[in-house]
Amino acid sequence: EDQVTQSPEALRLQEGESSSLNCSYTVSGLRGLFWYRQDPGKGPEFLFTLYSAGEEKEKERLKATLTKKESFLHITAPKPEDSATYLCAVQRNNNNDMRFGAGTRLTVKP
Amino acid sequence: DAGVTQSPTHLIKTRGQQVTLRCSPKSGHDTVSWYQQAPGQGPQFIFQYYEEEERQRGNFPDRFSGHQFPNYSSELNVNALLLGDSALYLCASSLEGLWETQYFGPGTRLLVL
Repeated sequence: EDQVTQSPEALRLQEGESSSLNCSYTVSGLRGLFWYRQDPGKGPEFLFTLYSAGEEKEKERLKATLTKKESFLHITAPKPEDSATYLCAVQRNNNNDMRFGAGTRLTVKP
Repeated sequence: DAGVTQSPTHLIKTRGQQVTLRCSPKSGHDTVSWYQQAPGQGPQFIFQYYEEEERQRGNFPDRFSGHQFPNYSSELNVNALLLGDSALYLCASSLEGLWETQYFGPGTRLLVL
């Protein structure tokens, strides 16, 4: 069965303090790995899709990387507005559902 | 360009009642998926609709049913509500053939008392 485990559950950073969020996954035939940002009381906002090991994608202060077993979301010099829950999800080949992890709740203090 | 919209935003029901939640996909999108998100958890896939048919279903009982209309909008129906059905219900839309990008709506928060 597909599994997605995110760590840590919660992360508190000072503004400007770079760090990484981890997403470990097991899936039979990865179609794509997804990162979303979710603010309290809102729906997830799409960030990245990664397709194969070695792939990297960047958006502003965020950079996502993918290996055969895990993905990292690197946050460089975070700002308070980066505070949110970051969700990771996987989708199998020939499958239409997405299996989400429980998320990492990031707080960035000024 | 309007994104995914959902109604209502909040809803309070009692055990045993039935509820209908509504979703309008992003303009141009033809595929709608529904998810349930419990507090502190990631979304869980309920089902996906395409061409007015349920294309795939997650591990949810048949108390959960849905419908997609010709204009691609969708409804989620839950019968015989249980306390455990209290959650944020999310709708996501995508375009068939562009599966890699799903856009989520703001969700409907359902409280069952």
